[in-house]
Amino acid sequence: KQEVTQIPAALSVPEGENLVLNCSFTDSAIYNLQWFRQDPGKGLTSLLLIQSSQREQTSGRLNASLDKSSGRSTLYIAASQPGDSATYLCAVDPMDSNYQLIWGAGTKLIIKP
Amino acid sequence: DAGVIQSPRHEVTEMGQEVTLRCKPISGHDYLFWYRQTMMRGLELLIYFNNNVPIDDSGMPEDRFSAKMPNASFSTLKIQPSEPRDSAVYFCASSLEYTISTDTQYFGPGTRLTVL
Repeated sequence: KQEVTQIPAALSVPEGENLVLNCSFTDSAIYNLQWFRQDPGKGLTSLLLIQSSQREQTSGRLNASLDKSSGRSTLYIAASQPGDSATYLCAVDPMDSNYQLIWGAGTKLIIKP
Repeated sequence: DAGVIQSPRHEVTEMGQEVTLRCKPISGHDYLFWYRQTMMRGLELLIYFNNNVPIDDSGMPEDRFSAKMPNASFSTLKIQPSEPRDSAVYFCASSLEYTISTDTQYFGPGTRLTVL
């Protein structure tokens, strides 16, 4: 059974720092992995989707990597800003799931001004 | 497009009452998902539809929960009777016709349900 883990559960860093959020999964048979952002009291917004054949995706200051063999993905945020404060969730689309994403619990990120 | 629309945004009700949550997916999207999010259990998929047909409802916790999608632009999630443990944020999401590895889900703002 696919499991997705995100560590740490919470992270607080000063503004301007580069940071890495981690996501691990137990079964490498996936179609894709996605990173989502959730602001308090709001829905989730997809940030990056990495297909299983890809190694990374970039959008602005965000870079997500995927290493299927080790079951790991990272979300790199460059030059962090207070507006980056949110909860970041990763989700995998397993090949045996019939389109049910498997979600991590999220990392709550706080960027201190 | 206005994105996925959910109503109400907040609902407070008493135990035993019927609760109906509503969702309007993004126009043209063929898949609709209902999720529940709690601190204890995180994000859970309850049910999803393809072209208005329920495909997998294995995540629906009990017979008290039911979902319908009478047409491509509207879905409801009903809880009858409601219980305090149903208190959570309920999200609706939609996506284009599913093609392997490329489609993402677009989430609504959620309905925060409190059952007293």
